[in-house]
Amino acid sequence: GQQLNQSPQSMFIQEGEDVSMNCTSSSIFNTWLWYKQDPGEGPVLLIALYKAGELTSNGRLTAQFGITRKDSFLNISASIPSDVGIYFCAVTGTASKLTFGTGTRLQVTL
Amino acid sequence: ETGVTQSPTHLIKTRGQQVTLRCSSQSGHNTVSWYQQALGQGPQFIFQYYREEENGRGNFPPRFSGLQFPNYSSELNVNALELDDSALYLCASSTDGNYGYTFGSGTRLTVV
Repeated sequence: GQQLNQSPQSMFIQEGEDVSMNCTSSSIFNTWLWYKQDPGEGPVLLIALYKAGELTSNGRLTAQFGITRKDSFLNISASIPSDVGIYFCAVTGTASKLTFGTGTRLQVTL
Repeated sequence: ETGVTQSPTHLIKTRGQQVTLRCSSQSGHNTVSWYQQALGQGPQFIFQYYREEENGRGNFPPRFSGLQFPNYSSELNVNALELDDSALYLCASSTDGNYGYTFGSGTRLTVV
């Protein structure tokens, strides 16, 4: 089945640093989504990307839809402690089914 | 407006038993999807209901079944529980299946 590979798997950063993570697939997709999941909670949509090459921001978060439509990138600028959590990329398929990536666990140290 | 609420929050069942998980959709949402999230993994799509009809299913056996009610709330039923069914079960609702899904906080099921 479809598989989305995210890297890095986990990362430790210091408060104030910028963060970059990516998501790759062997298949082409027309919509890429980025979610954040806090412990004990469901995923929350951060950014949705609908067009190849599109660059979209949401506050300190910026995401790009790769030009090949097989990848996407998420950047977080000036990280703060509440950025801690697991970040998932996701793509859409038939019946609006979401396929999630393997996740990137982010931990921020003071 | 209220978000997606799921009940119970935690549940422990014995292998072979049956379980029913419940989900109340966000107000105005007519589509509900269920996902299974094993520890350390991303959510996996189980199935989706739109206006009380199943309109999409992931790679899960028939012992996973569901219902959607006229008020758009939903149930997930799992029969003959197996140890590997231990996971966080997430419900998500949206309007007409668009991508603006709102997820609930999930039900943590432990099968012993």
